[in-house]
Amino acid sequence: ETVMTQSPATLSVFPGESATLSCRASQSIGNNLVWFQQKPGQAPRLIIHTASTRAPGVPARFTGSGSGTEFILTISGLQSEDFAVYYCKQYATWLWTLGQGTKVEIK
Amino acid sequence: EVQLVESGGGLVQPGGSLRLSCATSGISVSSIQMSWVRQAPGKGLEWVSVVHRGGNTDYAGSVRDRFTISRDNSRNIVSLQMNSLSAEDTAVYFCRCWGCAYGTDVWGPGTTVTVSS
Repeated sequence: ETVMTQSPATLSVFPGESATLSCRASQSIGNNLVWFQQKPGQAPRLIIHTASTRAPGVPARFTGSGSGTEFILTISGLQSEDFAVYYCKQYATWLWTLGQGTKVEIK
Repeated sequence: EVQLVESGGGLVQPGGSLRLSCATSGISVSSIQMSWVRQAPGKGLEWVSVVHRGGNTDYAGSVRDRFTISRDNSRNIVSLQMNSLSAEDTAVYFCRCWGCAYGTDVWGPGTTVTVSS
């Protein structure tokens, strides 16, 4: 099983600033990684797939990067609607596994 | 527009069974990947099961031999039969499709399963 580790657990950011979220895989997963955004009481929303491709309708301020075992999600100029929990998930091999999430909160 | 709606959740005693359904519109479940994902109260997401486009299925170790995913291609419904339920199965269960919308996925709003005596 591939273990996904996200850091930090919580990120406090002022609106308008940038946020950098990290995701590490316990073994190489190539670019088989997605990022989800989840707000309280809602289903997850796909933000990034194949490590760096934005899903349709996702603003350009969201950027995914990385391959192998190290991945980054950068959110530039945080807007109020961006404060949420973000999960990375690998789909290189079954069992697809997710990180424990990074909560991006307003500072 | 693609829509997914889960149903079948509720309160069940330990050891009991439930069958969740994911009703779809705008897609053909026979040609896309469908998953069940759950989230225990206050916890993260866990991928429970998937039925791939070709029909083969996968399960998380924690549910293998207890849960069964299936699809009804004529009604475009995906189901999750859950047996031998325990408190650890208490969660919101989401249905999700991949390959059903260009470049992204679609999720249902979720259905809540509570296992308690």
